Amino acid sequence: YVLGQPPSVSVAPGQTAKITCGGENIGSESVHWYQQKPGQAPVLVVYADSARPSGIPERFSGSNSGSTATLTISRVEAGDEADYYCQVWHSSSAHYVFGGGTKVTVL
Amino acid sequence: QVTLKESGPVLVKPTETLTLTCTVSGFLLRNGRMGVSWIRQPPGKALEWLAHIFSNDEKYYSTSLKSRLTISKDTSKSQVVLTMTNMDPVDTATYYCARLGNDVLHWFDPWGRGTLVTVSS
Repeated sequence: YVLGQPPSVSVAPGQTAKITCGGENIGSESVHWYQQKPGQAPVLVVYADSARPSGIPERFSGSNSGSTATLTISRVEAGDEADYYCQVWHSSSAHYVFGGGTKVTVL
Repeated sequence: QVTLKESGPVLVKPTETLTLTCTVSGFLLRNGRMGVSWIRQPPGKALEWLAHIFSNDEKYYSTSLKSRLTISKDTSKSQVVLTMTNMDPVDTATYYCARLGNDVLHWFDPWGRGTLVTVSS
């Protein structure tokens, strides 16, 4: 099972960034998103398609339907510059799968 | 507070076996359907899932690396151990362990800080 992400997304401060994660019938899976800043471990920012862990700003939101899941970052700030990874549990193969990651650059 | 900490050699030689230890705190490895995964990241590249162990000792492995990996746990020491045989320079990566945050929907939270392993003669 493969998850495809765009390698990079650029966005101006204050604007909205949308990061997509494509996979066969991904809408039937539960998708999770991680933020990874340089030299740091990944941090969960959205789980179960659209839920936010405690401490994650409301600016981070998620959706999932059909063949694409999307992480949306509203009112982008310089501190949001990072790599973002989507992840699912593919039960039929009993594998955890990560997308290839998207580098978000704040212009 | 839940924390995980990876430990192991910084440098291994080609063909050697790598043994990494993940020491956890704030939760018990024997409880419910808790589990821990090992995930690696080569420099500048994406995350790659390697192996997972549940509290009931159920284990899963990446298909591409299954023949080289063994995951185990020592509940009394709160440790999860990963061994990888026949190391190669392409295995140079930061190795993370992460707790399964939910055994139904399967997300990871939190992660350890990772340990960089370099494979070189």
